[in-house]
Amino acid sequence: DAGITQSPRHKVTETGTPVTLRCHQTENHRYMYWYRQDPGHGLRLIHYSYGVKDTDKGEVSDGYSVSRSKTEDFLLTLESATSSQTSVYFCALDRQSSYNEQFFGPGTRLTVL
Amino acid sequence: AQSVAQPEDQVNVAEGNPLTVKCTYSVSGNPYLFWYVQYPNRGLQFLLKYITGDNLVKGSYGFEAEFNKSQTSFHLKKPSALVSDSALYFCAYISGNTGKLIFGQGTTLQVKP
Repeated sequence: DAGITQSPRHKVTETGTPVTLRCHQTENHRYMYWYRQDPGHGLRLIHYSYGVKDTDKGEVSDGYSVSRSKTEDFLLTLESATSSQTSVYFCALDRQSSYNEQFFGPGTRLTVL
Repeated sequence: AQSVAQPEDQVNVAEGNPLTVKCTYSVSGNPYLFWYVQYPNRGLQFLLKYITGDNLVKGSYGFEAEFNKSQTSFHLKKPSALVSDSALYFCAYISGNTGKLIFGQGTTLQVKP
Protein backbone atom coordinates (compact mmCIF):
# COMPACT_ATOMS: atom_id res chain seq x y z
CA ASP A 1 0.00 0.00 0.00
CA ALA A 2 1.62 3.24 -1.18
CA GLY A 3 -0.48 5.45 1.11
CA ILE A 4 -2.73 6.79 -1.62
CA THR A 5 -6.37 7.59 -1.03
CA GLN A 6 -9.14 9.06 -3.14
CA SER A 7 -12.26 10.96 -2.15
CA PRO A 8 -15.10 10.69 -2.61
CA ARG A 9 -15.28 7.00 -3.50
CA HIS A 10 -18.68 7.37 -5.12
CA LYS A 11 -20.46 10.42 -6.48
CA VAL A 12 -23.63 11.07 -8.43
CA THR A 13 -24.03 14.50 -9.94
CA GLU A 14 -26.03 16.29 -12.59
CA THR A 15 -24.97 17.50 -16.00
CA GLY A 16 -23.47 20.97 -15.92
CA THR A 17 -22.28 20.96 -12.32
CA PRO A 18 -18.61 21.23 -11.38
CA VAL A 19 -17.07 18.25 -9.62
CA THR A 20 -13.74 17.94 -7.83
CA LEU A 21 -12.06 14.66 -7.03
CA ARG A 22 -9.21 14.48 -4.56
CA CYS A 23 -6.16 12.28 -4.50
CA HIS A 24 -4.03 12.27 -1.39
CA GLN A 25 -0.67 10.64 -0.76
CA THR A 26 1.30 10.30 2.44
CA GLU A 27 4.75 9.59 0.99
CA ASN A 28 5.86 12.88 -0.66
CA HIS A 29 6.32 11.56 -4.22
CA ARG A 30 6.64 13.99 -7.11
CA TYR A 31 4.82 12.23 -9.92
CA MET A 32 1.06 11.77 -9.75
CA TYR A 33 -1.47 10.82 -12.41
CA TRP A 34 -5.19 10.84 -13.07
CA TYR A 35 -6.71 8.12 -15.27
CA ARG A 36 -10.22 7.23 -16.27
CA GLN A 37 -11.34 3.66 -16.86
CA ASP A 38 -14.06 2.81 -19.35
CA PRO A 39 -15.06 -0.57 -20.79
CA GLY A 40 -13.23 -1.31 -24.02
CA HIS A 41 -10.74 1.52 -23.48
CA GLY A 42 -8.64 0.31 -20.61
CA LEU A 43 -7.25 3.21 -18.63
CA ARG A 44 -6.57 6.53 -20.28
CA LEU A 45 -4.42 9.29 -18.87
CA ILE A 46 -6.23 12.57 -18.19
CA HIS A 47 -3.56 14.76 -16.57
CA TYR A 48 -0.38 14.26 -14.65
CA SER A 49 1.85 16.23 -12.33
CA TYR A 50 5.60 16.20 -11.79
CA GLY A 51 5.66 18.52 -8.81
CA VAL A 52 3.86 21.32 -7.03
CA LYS A 53 2.20 23.55 -9.63
CA ASP A 54 3.74 21.48 -12.45
CA THR A 55 1.07 19.69 -14.44
CA ASP A 56 0.54 18.57 -18.01
CA LYS A 57 -2.14 17.08 -20.21
CA GLY A 58 -2.65 13.44 -21.01
CA GLU A 59 -4.58 11.67 -23.75
CA VAL A 60 -8.09 12.76 -22.75
CA SER A 61 -7.77 16.11 -20.99
CA ASP A 62 -10.66 18.02 -22.60
CA GLY A 63 -13.23 19.04 -19.99
CA TYR A 64 -10.84 18.40 -17.08
CA SER A 65 -8.46 20.56 -15.12
CA VAL A 66 -6.06 19.73 -12.30
CA SER A 67 -4.28 21.49 -9.51
CA ARG A 68 -1.38 20.60 -7.26
CA SER A 69 -0.78 23.27 -4.64
CA LYS A 70 0.96 20.86 -2.26
CA THR A 71 2.87 17.67 -2.84
CA GLU A 72 0.40 15.42 -1.12
CA ASP A 73 -2.77 16.50 -2.94
CA PHE A 74 -3.65 16.25 -6.61
CA LEU A 75 -7.12 17.52 -7.49
CA LEU A 76 -9.10 16.70 -10.63
CA THR A 77 -11.93 19.07 -11.57
CA LEU A 78 -14.65 18.50 -14.10
CA GLU A 79 -15.50 22.06 -14.96
CA SER A 80 -19.03 21.30 -16.18
CA ALA A 81 -19.81 17.61 -15.90
CA THR A 82 -21.27 15.77 -18.89
CA SER A 83 -22.71 12.27 -19.16
CA SER A 84 -19.65 11.21 -21.20
CA GLN A 85 -17.58 11.79 -18.07
CA THR A 86 -19.40 9.03 -16.23
CA SER A 87 -16.50 6.74 -15.44
CA VAL A 88 -14.26 5.30 -12.79
CA TYR A 89 -11.38 7.62 -11.99
CA PHE A 90 -8.05 6.38 -10.66
CA CYS A 91 -5.23 8.33 -9.20
CA ALA A 92 -1.71 6.90 -9.27
CA LEU A 93 1.73 7.86 -8.09
CA ASP A 94 5.18 6.91 -9.17
CA ARG A 95 7.80 6.30 -6.53
CA GLN A 96 10.53 7.06 -9.08
CA SER A 97 12.74 4.52 -7.42
CA SER A 98 11.09 1.55 -9.08
CA TYR A 99 11.53 2.19 -12.82
CA ASN A 100 8.13 3.81 -13.17
CA GLU A 101 6.14 1.22 -11.29
CA GLN A 102 2.93 3.08 -10.48
CA PHE A 103 0.74 2.59 -7.44
CA PHE A 104 -2.96 3.15 -7.81
CA GLY A 105 -5.60 4.45 -5.49
CA PRO A 106 -8.89 2.62 -4.94
CA GLY A 107 -10.82 4.67 -7.51
CA THR A 108 -13.81 7.01 -7.59
CA ARG A 109 -16.97 5.95 -9.35
CA LEU A 110 -18.59 9.05 -10.85
CA THR A 111 -22.04 9.06 -12.39
CA VAL A 112 -23.25 12.13 -14.28
CA LEU A 113 -27.00 12.15 -14.83
CA ALA B 1 1.32 5.61 -33.48
CA GLN B 2 2.80 3.77 -30.55
CA SER B 3 0.56 1.38 -28.68
CA VAL B 4 0.09 -1.92 -26.94
CA ALA B 5 -2.65 -4.30 -27.96
CA GLN B 6 -4.37 -7.11 -26.13
CA PRO B 7 -6.05 -9.15 -28.85
CA GLU B 8 -8.34 -11.16 -26.55
CA ASP B 9 -11.18 -9.58 -24.57
CA GLN B 10 -11.50 -12.73 -22.46
CA VAL B 11 -9.45 -15.81 -21.74
CA ASN B 12 -11.00 -18.88 -20.13
CA VAL B 13 -8.90 -21.57 -18.52
CA ALA B 14 -9.48 -24.45 -16.13
CA GLU B 15 -7.87 -24.37 -12.71
CA GLY B 16 -4.50 -26.10 -12.73
CA ASN B 17 -3.92 -25.53 -16.45
CA PRO B 18 -1.31 -23.10 -17.78
CA LEU B 19 -2.56 -19.68 -18.77
CA THR B 20 -1.39 -17.10 -21.29
CA VAL B 21 -2.67 -13.53 -21.68
CA LYS B 22 -1.37 -11.95 -24.85
CA CYS B 23 0.11 -8.51 -25.43
CA THR B 24 1.78 -7.12 -28.52
CA TYR B 25 3.48 -3.76 -28.73
CA SER B 26 4.26 -1.16 -31.31
CA VAL B 27 6.76 1.04 -29.50
CA SER B 28 9.91 2.57 -30.90
CA GLY B 29 13.27 2.17 -29.27
CA ASN B 30 13.63 0.04 -26.15
CA PRO B 31 10.17 -0.36 -24.66
CA TYR B 32 9.46 -0.38 -20.94
CA LEU B 33 6.59 -2.87 -20.64
CA PHE B 34 4.34 -3.66 -17.70
CA TRP B 35 1.56 -5.94 -16.59
CA TYR B 36 -1.05 -4.85 -14.09
CA VAL B 37 -3.97 -6.75 -12.58
CA GLN B 38 -7.29 -5.42 -11.37
CA TYR B 39 -9.45 -7.47 -9.04
CA PRO B 40 -13.18 -6.62 -8.88
CA ASN B 41 -13.90 -3.19 -7.40
CA ARG B 42 -10.22 -2.54 -6.72
CA GLY B 43 -7.49 -0.35 -8.15
CA LEU B 44 -4.75 -1.73 -10.35
CA GLN B 45 -1.86 -3.67 -8.87
CA PHE B 46 1.57 -3.99 -10.42
CA LEU B 47 2.53 -7.54 -11.48
CA LEU B 48 5.80 -7.27 -13.34
CA LYS B 49 7.86 -5.17 -15.73
CA TYR B 50 10.45 -5.47 -18.45
CA ILE B 51 13.07 -2.76 -18.58
CA THR B 52 16.16 -4.44 -19.95
CA GLY B 53 18.17 -7.62 -19.53
CA ASP B 54 16.73 -11.11 -19.24
CA ASN B 55 13.78 -11.61 -21.58
CA LEU B 56 11.94 -13.75 -19.03
CA VAL B 57 10.61 -11.61 -16.23
CA LYS B 58 9.18 -13.05 -13.02
CA GLY B 59 6.60 -11.17 -11.01
CA SER B 60 4.07 -11.39 -8.24
CA TYR B 61 1.72 -14.32 -7.54
CA GLY B 62 3.70 -16.77 -9.71
CA PHE B 63 3.25 -14.82 -12.94
CA GLU B 64 5.95 -14.36 -15.53
CA ALA B 65 6.21 -12.71 -18.92
CA GLU B 66 8.50 -13.16 -21.88
CA PHE B 67 9.75 -10.21 -23.87
CA ASN B 68 10.06 -11.25 -27.52
CA LYS B 69 11.59 -8.56 -29.68
CA SER B 70 11.22 -10.38 -33.00
CA GLN B 71 7.51 -10.95 -32.42
CA THR B 72 7.01 -7.63 -30.57
CA SER B 73 5.18 -9.49 -27.84
CA PHE B 74 5.11 -9.50 -24.05
CA HIS B 75 2.74 -12.32 -23.11
CA LEU B 76 1.82 -12.97 -19.49
CA LYS B 77 2.01 -16.57 -18.34
CA LYS B 78 1.48 -18.78 -15.33
CA PRO B 79 2.18 -22.52 -15.23
CA SER B 80 -0.87 -23.45 -13.14
CA ALA B 81 -3.92 -21.18 -12.91
CA LEU B 82 -5.87 -20.59 -9.71
CA VAL B 83 -9.52 -19.56 -9.43
CA SER B 84 -8.26 -16.53 -7.49
CA ASP B 85 -6.33 -15.39 -10.60
CA SER B 86 -9.65 -14.43 -12.19
CA ALA B 87 -9.37 -10.70 -12.81
CA LEU B 88 -8.83 -8.03 -15.45
CA TYR B 89 -5.26 -7.85 -16.78
CA PHE B 90 -3.67 -4.86 -18.46
CA CYS B 91 -0.53 -4.60 -20.51
CA ALA B 92 1.07 -1.14 -20.61
CA TYR B 93 4.15 0.75 -21.73
CA ILE B 94 5.87 3.91 -20.57
CA SER B 95 5.62 6.87 -22.93
CA GLY B 96 8.36 9.47 -22.79
CA ASN B 97 10.35 10.32 -19.68
CA THR B 98 7.54 11.50 -17.42
CA GLY B 99 6.31 8.05 -16.47
CA LYS B 100 3.10 8.21 -18.47
CA LEU B 101 1.62 4.74 -18.69
CA ILE B 102 -0.29 3.86 -21.85
CA PHE B 103 -2.56 0.85 -21.37
CA GLY B 104 -3.98 -1.82 -23.59
CA GLN B 105 -7.71 -2.45 -23.56
CA GLY B 106 -7.52 -5.17 -20.94
CA THR B 107 -8.20 -8.91 -20.95
CA THR B 108 -10.58 -10.60 -18.55
CA LEU B 109 -9.19 -13.87 -17.26
CA GLN B 110 -11.74 -16.39 -16.05
CA VAL B 111 -10.39 -19.45 -14.24
CA LYS B 112 -13.00 -22.15 -13.68
CA PRO B 113 -12.73 -24.81 -10.97
